[in-house]
Amino acid sequence: GAVVSQHPSWVICKSGTSVKIECRSLDFQATTMFWYRQFPKQSLMLMATSNEGSKATYEQGVEKDKFLINHASLTLSTLTVTSAHPEDSSFYICSANRQGADQPQHFGDGTRLSIL
Amino acid sequence: RKEVEQDPGPFNVPEGATVAFNCTYSNSASQSFFWYRQDCRKEPKLLMSVYSSGNEDGRFTAQLNRASQYISLLIRDSKLSDSATYLCVVSYSSASKIIFGSGTRLSIRP
Repeated sequence: GAVVSQHPSWVICKSGTSVKIECRSLDFQATTMFWYRQFPKQSLMLMATSNEGSKATYEQGVEKDKFLINHASLTLSTLTVTSAHPEDSSFYICSANRQGADQPQHFGDGTRLSIL
Repeated sequence: RKEVEQDPGPFNVPEGATVAFNCTYSNSASQSFFWYRQDCRKEPKLLMSVYSSGNEDGRFTAQLNRASQYISLLIRDSKLSDSATYLCVVSYSSASKIIFGSGTRLSIRP
């Protein structure tokens, strides 16, 4: 069964709306979670590393004030797309892994965000 | 140069064929290696971890060559359902940093 849960699966909203996406590790604690974005027919792109209890680490070119990440507990990280615009429409995916260098990443089901 | 590189494909092969693709990585400190598959409009799913001694899971064989810094995936007796994008993933520093390849598209034709 799923070990990482992501919600919601699909969001359609008007331009200017802020959208919050949740990522939960279901049966393990995750001090680190990762957020990705994927545009159609393109590869997965890491946006940021979410760190429990501290600030997220953003990849180059990703606006931290646009994509707010909060990792308030060991099982939950949230990504908020603030004042979303049509160009933010994309597939957003989170991942987390159990402790250990050899542990694979488990992905949430992804959130398809469409901004009208 | 990208840290993890894959041939984007597409590889278009007939059902029943054997197909292999490689993934090269540039950081010799890389610790763990994985192959994922991603279907269209879905999240990546773990296909298999890659161990130093090489490992096999049914029709799939993964190998790691640390000296040449690449991993490979071999698919035997390919099925139509194997059509997907295959991503290689490299992690290091206790999985606090992970790097994805851009993926190799595989299309199996009847």
